[in-house]
Amino acid sequence: GDSVTQMEGPVTLSEEAFLTINCTYTATGYPSLFWYVQYPGEGLQLLLKATKADDKGSNKGFEATYRKETTSFHLEKGSVQVSDSAVYFCALSGSTDKLIFGTGTRLQVFP
Amino acid sequence: GAGVSQSPSNKVTEKGKDVELRCDPISGHTALYWYRQSLGQGLEFLIYFQGNSAPDKSGLPSDRFSAERTGGSVSTLTIQRTQQEDSAVYLCASSPQANTGELFFGEGSRLTVL
Repeated sequence: GDSVTQMEGPVTLSEEAFLTINCTYTATGYPSLFWYVQYPGEGLQLLLKATKADDKGSNKGFEATYRKETTSFHLEKGSVQVSDSAVYFCALSGSTDKLIFGTGTRLQVFP
Repeated sequence: GAGVSQSPSNKVTEKGKDVELRCDPISGHTALYWYRQSLGQGLEFLIYFQGNSAPDKSGLPSDRFSAERTGGSVSTLTIQRTQQEDSAVYLCASSPQANTGELFFGEGSRLTVL
């Protein structure tokens, strides 16, 4: 069945460092891919999405490119801030109506 | 408010008791989802509704778990004879329609079974 694998955390960075959180997927057909973020004490919210191969989703300085050849959707940000500290979830919407999530990666950014 | 509302936000119960968790979706959203988030685990899909019907109940862990949705709006997740392994945060999300992947989540109901 469809699945998502993302790198384990926590990821610990200094402010202004470059961020990469890896995400790969297994799916039949052509899924849509998503990154959700959960800030401390808040509900999950959609960060960005891409619906077809080579699409780049972007929001709040974060980017992710849908790579069909490597079945990946890695999240990147050029310069992280303390306020980016959160748990990030990669997810896919494929052959069924449910959204399938990875296990989440905690990001901690220190000043 | 305009977001997804869940209640209670925290529930502590004794093993063997029944619990009900409630979700008020965003008005007009036809799709409603329940997920479970356990410590150190990802989000585990439980069930989703399209209107009042549940096309996919595949994620319900056992027959102690059930859910219903009435009037195309409020949903209740019921756990009977709770066990300690049921302790988790139960998340509800709604979406204008199914299969968009764009879900709006509530803040969750934290269940602790003693």
